[in-house]
Amino acid sequence: EDQVTQSPEALRLQEGESSSLNCSYTVSGLRGLFWYRQDPGKGPEFLFTLYSAGEEKEKERLKATLTKKESFLHITAPKPEDSATYLCAVQAVGQAGTALIFGKGTTLSVSS
Amino acid sequence: DAGVTQSPTHLIKTRGQQVTLRCSPISGHKSVSWYQQVLGQGPQFIFQYYEKEERGRGNFPDRFSARQFPNYSSELNVNALLLGDSALYLCASGGGDSYGYGYTFGSGTRLTVV
Repeated sequence: EDQVTQSPEALRLQEGESSSLNCSYTVSGLRGLFWYRQDPGKGPEFLFTLYSAGEEKEKERLKATLTKKESFLHITAPKPEDSATYLCAVQAVGQAGTALIFGKGTTLSVSS
Repeated sequence: DAGVTQSPTHLIKTRGQQVTLRCSPISGHKSVSWYQQVLGQGPQFIFQYYEKEERGRGNFPDRFSARQFPNYSSELNVNALLLGDSALYLCASGGGDSYGYGYTFGSGTRLTVV
């Protein structure tokens, strides 16, 4: 069964304290791995898509990387406005349509 | 540019009632997907429609149904509501029907069943 697991569930950082969020996945055939940011009461906001092991993408203080079994979202020198829930999702061969399978997310809190 | 529009934003229904949620995708997008997000969990796939045809269905009971109209807007219907149907219902708009598209989500409809 295709599965996505994110860790940690919650992470508290001081402003400027860099860290990484983990997304491990088990799928029959990966078509794409997605990172989203979700603020309370809002829909997920698209950040990155990664397709193959070794791929990296960056956006401001965020950098996403992909291996054959997991993806990392690295946050460099975070600011309080980076506080949100970060969701990882995969598209896999054999899934209905082009459905996204989401993890439960990591809730990040950055204090000043 | 208008993003993905969902209505209503909030809804309170009684057990056993029926509800219809609406979604307008980004202009030019032909794919609409529906997700259910229970508090503290990630979104769970319900349906995908592309060019008015159902392309995928998640593991939800037959009480859940959906359709897509010629203008690509979509409705999600849930019959015989249960307390467990209380959740944030998200609509995702996509430009195509292939893998790899970064879907754009609406802000959702918060459904509370009492």
